[in-house]
Amino acid sequence: NAGVTQTPKFQVLKTGQSMTLQCAQDMNHNSMYWYRQDPGMGLRLIYYSASEGTTDKGEVPNGYNVSRLNKREFSLRLESAAPSQTSVYFCASSADRGSHQPQHFGDGTRLSIL
Amino acid sequence: QQQVKQSPQSLIVQKGGISIINCAYENTAFDYFPWYQQFPGKGPALLIAIRPDVSEKKEGRFTISFNKSAKQFSLHIMDSQPGDSATYFCAATVAGKSTFGDGTTLTVKP
Repeated sequence: NAGVTQTPKFQVLKTGQSMTLQCAQDMNHNSMYWYRQDPGMGLRLIYYSASEGTTDKGEVPNGYNVSRLNKREFSLRLESAAPSQTSVYFCASSADRGSHQPQHFGDGTRLSIL
Repeated sequence: QQQVKQSPQSLIVQKGGISIINCAYENTAFDYFPWYQQFPGKGPALLIAIRPDVSEKKEGRFTISFNKSAKQFSLHIMDSQPGDSATYFCAATVAGKSTFGDGTTLTVKP
C-alpha cells in the first residue's frame, strides 16, 4: 500500500533552471496539496486541488505552477528556480473534497537551488 | 503575522513521563485543530484532531485538550516512549485552509 509517492526524493538545481515535482496517490482521494517546509518552520501551503480539474492558490504560490493531471496525480512545477525555493516539498492528500485538511503525506522532495 | 504559535520549540522527557505541547491561535474562525507527528526524513502523519465544540479528545496515549475561551489547545502524550521521539506540529484550519505551528522536537530519554 504505497499511499502518497513523491519523485524525485532529492534534486539539486541551478538558479534559473526549471523542474517538475511529481506526486501520485493510490487511495482514491479527492483532494491533493503541495506544501513547503523550511528549517524550524511549519508547513506552508503552496497550491491545492479540491478535485480533478481544479486548482487553487495557497499561502505561498509565487514562483510555482501546478497541474492536476487526473485524480491520482498532482505535479508542482518551478519555471525558473531561485535560491529562495530551496526547501523540502511535501505532497499530501485527503478524502474530503476541498477540506484542506491533509491526511496523508509523502516523504518529501529535498530541493536545493544553487 | 503568525496565526498559530507553538511552544516549546524543544522538549526532553523521561520514559514514562507526560509530554505536553501547547498551541495558541488568534483567529476565532478556526474550526478544526489537528496534530501531526513527523519522524526525520519522513512526511508528517496526522495523529489526532479536534473540533472546537469538544473540550477534550483522547486516542490511546494521545489527548488533545481544547480551551476555546483562551484560544489554546494542547497535546498530551501519556507514558511517553522513546519511539515517540519526533517533531510534532499543531495546525488550525478555517475555510479549509490549514495554518501550521513551527513544530516541537520531542526527545524521550530511556
